[in-house]
Amino acid sequence: KQEVTQIPAALSVPEGENLVLNCSFTDSAIYNLQWFRQDPGKGLTSLLLIQSSQREQTSGRLNASLDKSSGRSTLYIAASQPGDSATYLCAGLDDKIIFGKGTRLHILP
Amino acid sequence: GAGVSQSPSNKVTEKGKDVELRCDPISGHTALYWYRQSLGQGLEFLIYFQGNSAPDKSGLPSDRFSAERTGGSVSTLTIQRTQQEDSAVYLCASSLDRARNTIYFGEGSWLTVV
Repeated sequence: KQEVTQIPAALSVPEGENLVLNCSFTDSAIYNLQWFRQDPGKGLTSLLLIQSSQREQTSGRLNASLDKSSGRSTLYIAASQPGDSATYLCAGLDDKIIFGKGTRLHILP
Repeated sequence: GAGVSQSPSNKVTEKGKDVELRCDPISGHTALYWYRQSLGQGLEFLIYFQGNSAPDKSGLPSDRFSAERTGGSVSTLTIQRTQQEDSAVYLCASSLDRARNTIYFGEGSWLTVV
């Protein structure tokens, strides 16, 4: 049974710092992995999708990597801004979508 | 449409009443998912549709919950005889085909049972 774990559960960092969010999964047979952002009281916004044949994807200040052999994915946020404050979720995509519980990120102005 | 659309955005209902939540997926997306998120909690899978059929209903919490999808497009999640523990945001998502493609979420329907 696929399980997705995100560490840390919460993180506070000063504005301007680079940071890494971690996601691990138990079944390396996942097809793709997707990172989402959720603002309070809102739905989920797709950030990046990494296909199984890829090792990383980049969008602006965000870079996501995928290492299926070790069952890990990371989301790197460069030069963090207060507007980056949100909950970040990763999901393993196969025939089912399995979500982690998320990392609550707070960027301190 | 441009994105996944859900209605109503907010619903307050009395305990024991039935409610219907609607999801309009992105045009052309054959896969549709319903999730539930209680306050401060993670996402709970409810049901998955591929076209009009539901190969995975394993997440429906009880027989008070049902869902249908018609014409391979709009889906309705129905909760009968609502209970206070049903209070949550109900999120709908769609993808082009199976879960292997990018998943897009709606803004959710916030349900409060009083």
